[in-house]
Amino acid sequence: KAGVTQTPRYLIKTRGQQVTLSCSPISGHRSVSWYQQTPGQGLQFLFEYFSETQRNKGNFPGRFSGRQFSNSRSEMNVSTLELGDSALYLCASSSITGTGLYEQYFGPGTRLTVT
Amino acid sequence: DQQVKQNSPSLSVQEGRISILNCDYTNSMFDYFLWYKKYPAEGPTFLISISSIKDKNEDGRFTVFLNKSAKHLSLHIVPSQPGDSAVYFCAASANTDKLIFGTGTRLQVFP
Repeated sequence: KAGVTQTPRYLIKTRGQQVTLSCSPISGHRSVSWYQQTPGQGLQFLFEYFSETQRNKGNFPGRFSGRQFSNSRSEMNVSTLELGDSALYLCASSSITGTGLYEQYFGPGTRLTVT
Repeated sequence: DQQVKQNSPSLSVQEGRISILNCDYTNSMFDYFLWYKKYPAEGPTFLISISSIKDKNEDGRFTVFLNKSAKHLSLHIVPSQPGDSAVYFCAASANTDKLIFGTGTRLQVFP
């Protein structure tokens, strides 16, 4: 079974621009979560989508948004980029297994650098 | 408010011995617990999970133990291998709500 894939893997943008990151979850997983990882703040939850609906949201400004499509693929968008948005953006897909275990798998991330 | 705590920032273990990583939580609503291994600048790698209806789950060299009354879980790795050297995070979720991560424990396995 293929893992979580994210595109692009690396991105360089300038301040004020906007960016869209893409995530394809593991086949059969309907929940997709997004996280921001920085050296100083660690792993911070952005939002989660389930069946095309945002189910949870972290404490990030409205410049960060996302959506999920009917095939469970998800995109996140950051508008009006700031230098502090430079980070590794991780996507994770999750499911409950047949034995009742909750599993969440992360993709390799998109490294965003804002200059 | 740190709902998930890993009080040991680092652990050093000899190859072949057992590594025990600990995690405490405060929210009694948590019903799923996960362990991850992480290398710098990479996403976390899922290792093993447990639900609150169980007190033990094992997968190969990894075993997770859950003590609900003490709000404590631990990850046992046996035998430890040099390739296990990484940062380990525990995470918890209430009803598959967002994961709450601990601060991590750096494990070093030496020959």
